[in-house]
Amino acid sequence: AQSVTQPDIHITVSEGASLELRCNYSYGATPYLFWYVQSPGQGLQLLLKYFSGDTLVQGIKGFEAEFKRSQSSFNLRKPSVHWSDAAEYFCAVGGHSGYSTLTFGKGTMLLVSP
Amino acid sequence: DVKVTQSSRYLVKRTGEKVFLECVQDMDHENMFWYRQDPGLGLRLIYFSYDVKMKEKGDIPEGYSVSREKKERFSLILESASTNQTSMYLCASSLVKARGSPLHFGNGTRLTVT
Repeated sequence: AQSVTQPDIHITVSEGASLELRCNYSYGATPYLFWYVQSPGQGLQLLLKYFSGDTLVQGIKGFEAEFKRSQSSFNLRKPSVHWSDAAEYFCAVGGHSGYSTLTFGKGTMLLVSP
Repeated sequence: DVKVTQSSRYLVKRTGEKVFLECVQDMDHENMFWYRQDPGLGLRLIYFSYDVKMKEKGDIPEGYSVSREKKERFSLILESASTNQTSMYLCASSLVKARGSPLHFGNGTRLTVT
């Protein structure tokens, strides 16, 4: 069965500092991996996705993530955090069949301090 | 852009009532999903559907049913609402023909059962 672990429930980062949110997955083959962001009172918005190929993927809002097969990780990064980045972030894993469902981590709440 | 619309943002119901949560998508997606989101538990899949009149149980289907009479509409039904079904409910859709197609989410329905 596929699973996702986000070890950090909350993270606080100063505005302008760099950010890394951790994600570890469990899947029997090469997975599809996603990062979503949820602002308060909103649904989830796709930040980026990894299917195959280049292990460093670029997303929207200046985010990037790196797939490391040896560590079963897909960590999200941003070089300089803005106050508007404060939100909850979810990592998700899915299979290659178009009928497969996504499994989500429990989320990491990002707080941005002035 | 894909638009997934959930008919209610907030809903308050009494214990024992039959509750309908409605979701409509406008991009001809085959897959539709219902998740519930609770603090500390992330997103958990209730039911999903590959096609009209098709439905599959997710991880937590107990106490819920679904209906998909038209491709664009997917309804979640609480046959007899209970207080432990107080939660945020998120509807999503995806294109099954595209491998690893990401989910597109609605803004959610916050249901309170008193």
